[in-house]
Amino acid sequence: RKEVEQDPGPFNVPEGATVAFNCTYSNSASQSFFWYRQDCRKEPKLLMSVYSSGNEDGRFTAQLNRASQYISLLIRDSKLSDSATYLCVVKGATTDSWGKLQFGAGTQVVVTP
Amino acid sequence: GAGVSQSPSNKVTEKGKDVELRCDPISGHTALYWYRQSLGQGLEFLIYFQGNSAPDKSGLPSDRFSAERTGGSVSTLTIQRTQQEDSAVYLCASRLAGTSTDTQYFGPGTRLTVL
Repeated sequence: RKEVEQDPGPFNVPEGATVAFNCTYSNSASQSFFWYRQDCRKEPKLLMSVYSSGNEDGRFTAQLNRASQYISLLIRDSKLSDSATYLCVVKGATTDSWGKLQFGAGTQVVVTP
Repeated sequence: GAGVSQSPSNKVTEKGKDVELRCDPISGHTALYWYRQSLGQGLEFLIYFQGNSAPDKSGLPSDRFSAERTGGSVSTLTIQRTQQEDSAVYLCASRLAGTSTDTQYFGPGTRLTVL
């Protein structure tokens, strides 16, 4: 079993709609979580950090469910520019765990006119 | 300010040749990572440098791969005797360790094609 798993999608979303998808992780001791977006043939860029139960930034909301070991990302009022692959990143609890970041394979979101 | 830069942006080489990929991290960032990403796949961790500590090389796929970081700044990833399966995008990231904002900043990557 992979340490971080994501539904690869694609999630086809009409412009203006809401889309949500999850990322599950296997290490219950994981402490920090991140969502990155990666545009086609570009480098990943940080979208949100999630340190407690969740985080909200404009149209984007991330929620953490420690009991079920998953984080979710919700995008409201989807824009065409939201089309990208969203990578889930999980960090362990130890001080040296910055070298052991676990990346999911990504969820592809396609927003259509 | 300047972000992470990588060179070359694209590299085409013949099987069996050696290649060197360069990463210039953000100035002052003590942590530096190398990853590779094959088409349609997630990021595969290769190596991690943190300050003066011994690098974590646990992700290097074979002894043909090596990396060094000189002076705590620029890093070079070397692949010897390249194979076709080495074809991928090689991404470098840096991070300012010891801060409350634990963010990795990625470079644009080097797209390596081994013929």
